[in-house]
Amino acid sequence: EPEVTQTPSHQVTQMGQEVILRCVPISNHLYFYWYRQILGQKVEFLVSFYNNEISEKSEIFDDQFSVERPDGSNFTLKIRSTKLEDSAMYFCASSDSHSEAFFGQGTRLTVV
Amino acid sequence: AQSVSQHNHHVILSEAASLELGCNYSYGGTVNLFWYVQYPGQHLQLLLKYFSGDPLVKGIKGFEAEFIKSKFSFNLRKPSVQWSDTAEYFCAAGRGGGYQKVTFGIGTKLQVIP
Repeated sequence: EPEVTQTPSHQVTQMGQEVILRCVPISNHLYFYWYRQILGQKVEFLVSFYNNEISEKSEIFDDQFSVERPDGSNFTLKIRSTKLEDSAMYFCASSDSHSEAFFGQGTRLTVV
Repeated sequence: AQSVSQHNHHVILSEAASLELGCNYSYGGTVNLFWYVQYPGQHLQLLLKYFSGDPLVKGIKGFEAEFIKSKFSFNLRKPSVQWSDTAEYFCAAGRGGGYQKVTFGIGTKLQVIP
């Protein structure tokens, strides 16, 4: 069964450093998403991406965040200057025009 | 604003007990509804979904959910839980159509005691 894969599974970074979280969506999917889940809180939408551009973003997705699809298979989330409060589980998801979103296993980001 | 409410944040049941987890949504227009499960240390997995048609939806592992439009509800049920159902359960709602951005509820932690 096709699946969304995310790397790394766990990333520890120092405050102020840049991190890039990587995702490989399901190959024929057209819509891509990033969500995050701060420990003990709900899963929150960050951004969606379609046709090589951001289609929607939440107020959490401020100027320190960016997304990119650098080639035909990867979808990345960059956090330019990490803060302690960016520590969370980050989920990538993808969907086509007919089905639900499929989620990756998540990247646990710890900012120290 | 779109929102999803889950009524029970932590549920403890004995094996073989029946389960019902409440979910209400606030969404204008056509809505797609989902229940996701997250087992300890694992990623979100889809349990079941409602897009249209029969409002009683059957999912994996014996779970089912009923969409009641008049109550804006999509409650999850299982007649007899097992220890392996211990997990966190998330209700989610999204707009109809191809774009599948969803809004999640806060989640319900289910603990099943053998």
